[in-house]
Amino acid sequence: DAKTTQPPSMDCAEGRAANLPCNHSTISGNEYVYWYRQIHSQGPQYIIHGLKNNETNEMASLIITEDRKSSTLILPHATLRDTAVYYCIVRKRGSNYKLTFGKGTLLTVNP
Amino acid sequence: GAVVSQHPSWVICKSGTSVKIECRSLDFQATTMFWYRQFPKQSLMLMATSNEGSKATYEQGVEKDKFLINHASLTLSTLTVTSAHPEDSSFYICSARGPGGQAGELFFGEGSRLTVL
Repeated sequence: DAKTTQPPSMDCAEGRAANLPCNHSTISGNEYVYWYRQIHSQGPQYIIHGLKNNETNEMASLIITEDRKSSTLILPHATLRDTAVYYCIVRKRGSNYKLTFGKGTLLTVNP
Repeated sequence: GAVVSQHPSWVICKSGTSVKIECRSLDFQATTMFWYRQFPKQSLMLMATSNEGSKATYEQGVEKDKFLINHASLTLSTLTVTSAHPEDSSFYICSARGPGGQAGELFFGEGSRLTVL
């Protein structure tokens, strides 16, 4: 699976949009971009995934660049409960469902 | 989304004893589950893949005789830390592949925090 690069930490004001970047310059054509988050002392939570089109669900939006070498997770109206470590993971979607976690981005939402 | 539950949430044990952690998929069947370990301020590290009805597959460097995994049913996998020592103190997390239309996603349990005295 391709490697990803994320900033170690980011801050965001409550109520504002949080934009979390991820670089995955070596992504291959059959690899998806997944985002998970981990609130302190809890198991990771699935957020969203995409292949090449932008995706939106009730939690977030995922914007993938046209060359697929980077993506941005957008939390449209961040709340204090969104404070967590956010993991961007690239992997093939098939029989092997292993996820390899990097260090992620610690997003701190401030009041 | 699909729910995965772990038990216990936290456990404290004496050095040399064994501890069992359960991972259950609620309302769906999981033929494959994964066990992760997370030390403080570090990321999750995959320990093993648990397959229903067959032997688990361990990642390199993980002792299979120390971390016993049993996946006896489609909704339950257990991780037993045998002869636990303080260095085994960690946050253990399981995950399962989602059902049906969510089969592309992995869902995680709440985690089990083990402290070995």
